[in-house]
Amino acid sequence: AQKITQTQPGMFVQEKEAVTLDCTYDTSDPSYGLFWYKQPSSGEMIFLIYQGSYDQQNATEGRYSLNFQKARKSANLVISASQLGDSAMYFCAMREAYGNNRLAFGKGNQVVVIP
Amino acid sequence: DGGITQSPKYLFRKEGQNVTLSCEQNLNHDAMYWYRQDPGQGLRLIYYSQIVNDFQKGDIAEGYSVSREKKESFPLTVTSAQKNPTAFYLCASSIDAGPQRTEAFFGQGTRLTVV
Repeated sequence: AQKITQTQPGMFVQEKEAVTLDCTYDTSDPSYGLFWYKQPSSGEMIFLIYQGSYDQQNATEGRYSLNFQKARKSANLVISASQLGDSAMYFCAMREAYGNNRLAFGKGNQVVVIP
Repeated sequence: DGGITQSPKYLFRKEGQNVTLSCEQNLNHDAMYWYRQDPGQGLRLIYYSQIVNDFQKGDIAEGYSVSREKKESFPLTVTSAQKNPTAFYLCASSIDAGPQRTEAFFGQGTRLTVV
């Protein structure tokens, strides 16, 4: 069963604007970690940000922040002050404590930043 | 430098042939993963391994095989039983620490094409 859901169609965002990418997940495990990765057209996977299920505060890493709503099982990525180099696919992923280290990904969100 | 090396970058296979994709890491990571990515799609888990001489099937293991004889190596064989093997294959590794902040590091990928 799909555990990570990313359903937004491709998004266009104006340079310097903020963009929010949705991610919902499904787990009955109280202990889990959520990750966001960026994949530019070159194909490499770049780690952006992490949120643990027991973290009290939303994670932030530079221009990236995570809007973590545990009760809703939602972990949306916010990119502030978009840059042309932010054009890429963005993937949400989850690892559960009792999942044998299995790391599952969503289908991704396509973002295109326009000048 | 520490990292994950996938080879080859491009691979062409004739129908009915088995091919092996190489994945080597020098990060001393316990966990290793293989993912398949189709155009415009997310990453689907093929196999993963938490420790030497042990591995588990992911969501789409049919037609694939792996081995984990050494900690640093996790080769993937695409067998003739895989009916639609043309895809982008990504290998990753991480510290075996459950849901804590242990992001997976990825190789550059292998693009396999059946001719």
